[in-house]
Amino acid sequence: QKEVEQNSGPLSVPEGAIASLNCTYSDRVSQSFFWYRQYSGKSPELIMSIYSNGDKEDGRFTAQLNKASQYVSLLIRDSQPSDSATYLCAAFMNRDDKIIFGKGTRLHILP
Amino acid sequence: EAGVTQFPSHSVIEKGQTVTLRCDPISGHDNLYWYRRVMGKEIKFLLHFVKESKQDESGMPNNRFLAERTGGTYSTLKVQPAELEDSGVYFCASSPNRDRSRETQYFGPGTRLLVL
Repeated sequence: QKEVEQNSGPLSVPEGAIASLNCTYSDRVSQSFFWYRQYSGKSPELIMSIYSNGDKEDGRFTAQLNKASQYVSLLIRDSQPSDSATYLCAAFMNRDDKIIFGKGTRLHILP
Repeated sequence: EAGVTQFPSHSVIEKGQTVTLRCDPISGHDNLYWYRRVMGKEIKFLLHFVKESKQDESGMPNNRFLAERTGGTYSTLKVQPAELEDSGVYFCASSPNRDRSRETQYFGPGTRLLVL
């Protein structure tokens, strides 16, 4: 089992709809989770971090964490074409003492 | 404030040649990381510096890779001799020396390396 797993997509979502990105992780004791956005040919950019069970909202973005299920998600409300990018899920793995990345999900917002 | 910069942005070399990648972290960031992304795969950790010291180099593929961070400022990653499987995008990231489990890592634009 990969340490951080994501569906590679592409995930196509109509403009204005909610985009839902999902991620699972293997290290049960991981405490910190991150969502990075990467536009094609650009550097990954942190958009959300979450450390506690439940939801964390920041503008149009909501991160959700369920430690019992080892599941973290990112919701993007009112999706815009500018949200089209690859979204990388990452977890700080205590046993490795480092951040481990998933492969990323390509999101395409349809105008 | 300037972000993380990397040089060169692209490099095309032949198998057996040497390439040196450079990373300038954000000023004042003690932590510096090197990552690599091979096409179709996830971003993989290579190594971590705290100031000038190698904290963790468990991700370095083999002894053809050598990283340095003289003076705790910029870092170089040298590949010698390069092999075909070394092709990929090499990212550098930096962060302040705070709680590493919750830190924001700031990524550079990456160096796209192609070994022919």
